[in-house]
Amino acid sequence: QVQLVQSGAEVKKPGASVKVSCKASGYTFTSYDINWVRQATGQGLEWMGWMNPNSGNTGYAQKFQGRVTMTRNTSISTAYMELSSLRSEDTAVYYCARSGGEWELDYWGQGTLVTVSS
Amino acid sequence: DIQMTQSPSSLSASVGDRVTITCRSSQGISNYLAWYQLKPGQVPKLLIYAASTLQSGVPSRFSGSGSGTDFTLTISSLQPEDVATYYCQKYYSAPFTFGPGTKVDVK
Repeated sequence: QVQLVQSGAEVKKPGASVKVSCKASGYTFTSYDINWVRQATGQGLEWMGWMNPNSGNTGYAQKFQGRVTMTRNTSISTAYMELSSLRSEDTAVYYCARSGGEWELDYWGQGTLVTVSS
Repeated sequence: DIQMTQSPSSLSASVGDRVTITCRSSQGISNYLAWYQLKPGQVPKLLIYAASTLQSGVPSRFSGSGSGTDFTLTISSLQPEDVATYYCQKYYSAPFTFGPGTKVDVK
């Protein structure tokens, strides 16, 4: 069965960077895009960007341009999202999600809580 | 960028009621729209994609309709387990923006 398993919770200081991993199993990793979505406490879902694991091509929401980098390691079927210059407003649960056959987000990781605090 | 709006922002209905949530895009997006259910402490769940296609395993009381700029999610008979926040998302072209969400409660 399709599974996306994310890395564990992180606590970071303002100005630092965080790198979250998302390990895929149960399907061909390079055949479906991976998206990253976050939800701050009490807020809605926010789409951050996508990556094509086959080509490595990416597309980022304008809000995160220059601060986010999405990469992958196809040999271990793992996608990564790195967010830099962290501030308190980046405290959120970060999800990876697979784009299905019509680009809908059909499978989601369990979420990774990133806390930014001094 | 295309903006997504939802109405209402919250609603409270009785078990068995018919519930309708509206999602509107600022530009036409054909039928490239999905609906997700998010319960507290859980992972978002895909309910509907391509505006009206029910995801496998989702109860048939959920349905979606619309095309272009106006879309609806309908719960034909609200159940206690449907308490959640519902989000629409467009995937016509990046950015794949979510709507602000509609919180559904049971009276």
